[in-house]
Amino acid sequence: DIQMTQSPSSLSASVGDRVTITCQASQDISNYLNWFQQIPGQAPKLLIYDASDLEPGVPSRFSGSGSGTDFTFTITSLQPDDIATYYCQQYDRLPLTFGGGTRVQIK
Amino acid sequence: QVTLRESGPALVKPTQTLTLTCTFSGFSLSTSGMCVNWIRQPPGKALEWLALIDWDDNKYYNTSLKTRLTISKDTSKNQVVLTVINMDPVDTATYHCARAIRGQGKYYMDVWGKGTTVTVSS
Repeated sequence: DIQMTQSPSSLSASVGDRVTITCQASQDISNYLNWFQQIPGQAPKLLIYDASDLEPGVPSRFSGSGSGTDFTFTITSLQPDDIATYYCQQYDRLPLTFGGGTRVQIK
Repeated sequence: QVTLRESGPALVKPTQTLTLTCTFSGFSLSTSGMCVNWIRQPPGKALEWLALIDWDDNKYYNTSLKTRLTISKDTSKNQVVLTVINMDPVDTATYHCARAIRGQGKYYMDVWGKGTTVTVSS
């Protein structure tokens, strides 16, 4: 199984700050990586697919980059609505696997 | 618009079998490329993928749980059912279903249901 290591596990930042989350795969997954946002009590929402493509309707302050084993998710200007837990997920091969999540809070 | 909704018992006893139903709309599991997954999330923990069934009735399972899981579909009802045998308190979690689309040999997950919470306790 492909292991996804996500860091940090939590972070606290101010409104307007740039926030960066990293995700590392245990083997090459090309660009087959999703980023999901999970607000407490809600279903996870797809933000980024194919490592860097923005899902339609998702604000442009969210972005993703990387390929192979190392990936980055960025919020360029943190907003109060962005308080959530973010997960990376690989779909290069089955079984599908997720990172451990990053909880983003407002300072 | 694609929607998915999970249903099932909120409480099961240890050793019992859990049966969950995912009812969906906005797509058909008879369409080539369409799939449905089950994913769970224990309280305060990360997401864990459980199983996937595709339009051609191919089934795939979590490596460590595959002896306990069975996934099936009823295309006419737009439903996918997951059964988990021999439930244990560590199986307490919110269980989500989600659509996936197979393209270029990859299973791309997009829309999720809100989930149903299952507690395992005597």
